[in-house]
Parts: sequence; structure tokens; C-alpha cells
Amino acid sequence: QSVLTQPPSVSAAPGQKVTISCSGSSSNIGNNYVSWYQHLPGTAPKLLIYENNRRPSGIPDRFSGSKSGTSATLGITGLQTGDEADYYCGTWDSSLSAGVFGGGTKLTVL
Amino acid sequence: QVHLVESGGGVVQPGRSLRLSCAASGFTFSSYGMHWVRQAPGKGLEWVAAISYDGSKKYYADSVKGRFTISRDSSKNTLYVQINSLRAEDTAVYYCAKDDCTTTSCLGYWGQGTLVTVSS
Repeated sequence: QSVLTQPPSVSAAPGQKVTISCSGSSSNIGNNYVSWYQHLPGTAPKLLIYENNRRPSGIPDRFSGSKSGTSATLGITGLQTGDEADYYCGTWDSSLSAGVFGGGTKLTVL
Repeated sequence: QVHLVESGGGVVQPGRSLRLSCAASGFTFSSYGMHWVRQAPGKGLEWVAAISYDGSKKYYADSVKGRFTISRDSSKNTLYVQINSLRAEDTAVYYCAKDDCTTTSCLGYWGQGTLVTVSS
């Protein structure tokens, strides 16, 4: 059981938009920044979003992040088949003094 | 460019110990916090442990506390995790990652991972 809650799967057609939610509590999302990661099987995870809504260099602006209260959201527009992957939210939990991830969301581009 | 290479994985019997290493290059290793994250077969990412840039602070997931020890050697640009009393549930790909944020941790670079299989 993950500390952060994500939907197990989402799907959308190529070119469409999808959002992935991440729900936590005041000890993690509520008082810390959120990051988002893309993970394709057999590869190293990739940082997509940090500090709630900032993109590392090289990450296209099709990817966006937001946070409100104890929840965060990853948005992906202009979906491409290459976006099919597992997506994870992550942050720090101040009560646990530990990093935490969501359970992951599998994105299918139909 | 940043390069992280894990090593030390393999097949290990339950109850035995193992030390994983992560060789870092392409950045000033002694200036960054580092993390270990694992992924068990068919499961999601699980944060394991973190160490501050100077090694003075260490943090662990409850699931590994008391059995895992994270450490670093800045003279060798290498991150380590010592795993004792291995259990079947420790079977996973172990990734090391560089913490690129000075606010809340964000893992900007990851290695390709090393597979640990705990089996008799």
C-alpha cells in the first residue's frame, strides 16, 4: 500500500490529453514539492516534473504539473505512442522522514 | 554528462549479505545527495534510502531500516548500500539516483539498475 495514491491505469487516443492524479496528505504532498517520473520497462526512470510544475531541460511542454492542497496532477497533451509508460509521483514525507512514491499509473495510448 | 552505474547484484541466498555500489561520474559527487530506489518484479518504484551530500544524514524506508546501510565515498565517487539478512521480498532491481533539488528531493538522474535475486 503506497503512501501516495495514483490510479492504476489511464488511457487516451493519440493527440488527446490525459491527466494522472496523485493524492497524499499534509505530511507529504501538503508540505513538500512533488516530482513526476516516467518509467519504461527495462530503462532508467526519467524525471519529468520537479517542484510541482517545473520541467527539466529537454522535457517538452506537453508535460505539465500542478498541485493543490494534498493532491498533485500530471498532465500530458498531444499524446504519442511513445508516451506509453508507467508514471510515478514522488515526494518527501516529513513525518516518516522518508521518500515516498505513488503506486504508479500505466498510460496506454490507444 | 552525468553517469551512474550500479553493480554488485546477483543471486543470493536468504539471510546472506550483499553490498551494492553505484559509480558516479560527470558531476561533483560530493555536492549532491544520493538515493537508492528499488522495483520488485511486477511492482512499482519503492524508495529505499537516501544520504546527504556530505554523508552526515541518512534516511531509510521502514521496510529496510535496521538491515540496510547507505554510505558514500567521495574519494571514489561511489555510493553504496549494504544489505544484510536478505529476504525474498528484497528481490528487485536496485537503482541509484542523484538528487537534483535543494528543496524537496527530486531524482534527476538514475542508473540502469542492478538486479538482486534472493533465492535458495
